[in-house]
Amino acid sequence: GQQLNQSPQSMFIQEGEDVSMNCTSSSIFNTWLWYKQEPGEGPVLLIALYKAGELTSNGRLTAQFGITRKDSFLNISASIPSDVGIYFCAGRPSGSARQLTFGSGTQLTVLP
Amino acid sequence: KAGVTQTPRYLIKTRGQQVTLSCSPISGHRSVSWYQQTPGQGLQFLFEYFSETQRNKGNFPGRFSGRQFSNSRSEMNVSTLELGDSALYLCASSLVEGSNEQFFGPGTRLTVL
Repeated sequence: GQQLNQSPQSMFIQEGEDVSMNCTSSSIFNTWLWYKQEPGEGPVLLIALYKAGELTSNGRLTAQFGITRKDSFLNISASIPSDVGIYFCAGRPSGSARQLTFGSGTQLTVLP
Repeated sequence: KAGVTQTPRYLIKTRGQQVTLSCSPISGHRSVSWYQQTPGQGLQFLFEYFSETQRNKGNFPGRFSGRQFSNSRSEMNVSTLELGDSALYLCASSLVEGSNEQFFGPGTRLTVL
C-alpha cells in the first residue's frame, strides 16, 4: 500500500525553540493533514491542506502542501510544554484509493 | 456535543479468542472508520462504514470484521486472536464518508497474551 515517510522519528527540544517535521511520499497526494496525539487520546486534526503550494497556519503551527504534491511539512514556532505529543501526517492519495494513509509519527518532547 | 466514545478502553485476551469493540460516533455523524495503531506500523486503516454499509476496506485478513447499526454506532470484531493483534484500535467518526474531518475516539487498548 501507500507509504508515507515521516521524519524525524523523535525530537527533543528546549521550550521556546522552533520545530520542523516533514512527510514525503513516492506518489501524488490530493490532501495532506496533520494530526497530534497525546497520551491516552486519539489523534486530533490540526491542519488540513487541499492545494499544492498551500500554506496554512493555526496559531503557532504552520503547514505547507508541497508543490510536487509528494510532500508536506509542519512547523511549530516558540514551542511550549503542552506541544508534547506525537505528530502524524496523513494524506489521501490521488486515484482510486479513498482511505487516509498515515505517517509513522514524530514524537516531540519539549524540555523546560 | 459529546465526542467519540469507545468501549471498552482496555481489554486483555488470549490467543485464539475473539473480541468485539464498540464505537459510538459524534451525534449526527454517519461515517465510522476503524484504525489499528501499533508502534512499528503507525495507524493502519481497517475499514469505513457509512449508512450501515462497508464502503472501504484496508489490507487486513478476514478475521477482522465490522458492522454499523442504524444509529451509526459501529462494532468491530477480531476472531482467532493472534499475538500480533495487540494494538490500540481507534475509531473515527465524520459527517459523511471519505471526509478528511475525522474525529477520533480515545481507542481501545487490546493486549493478546
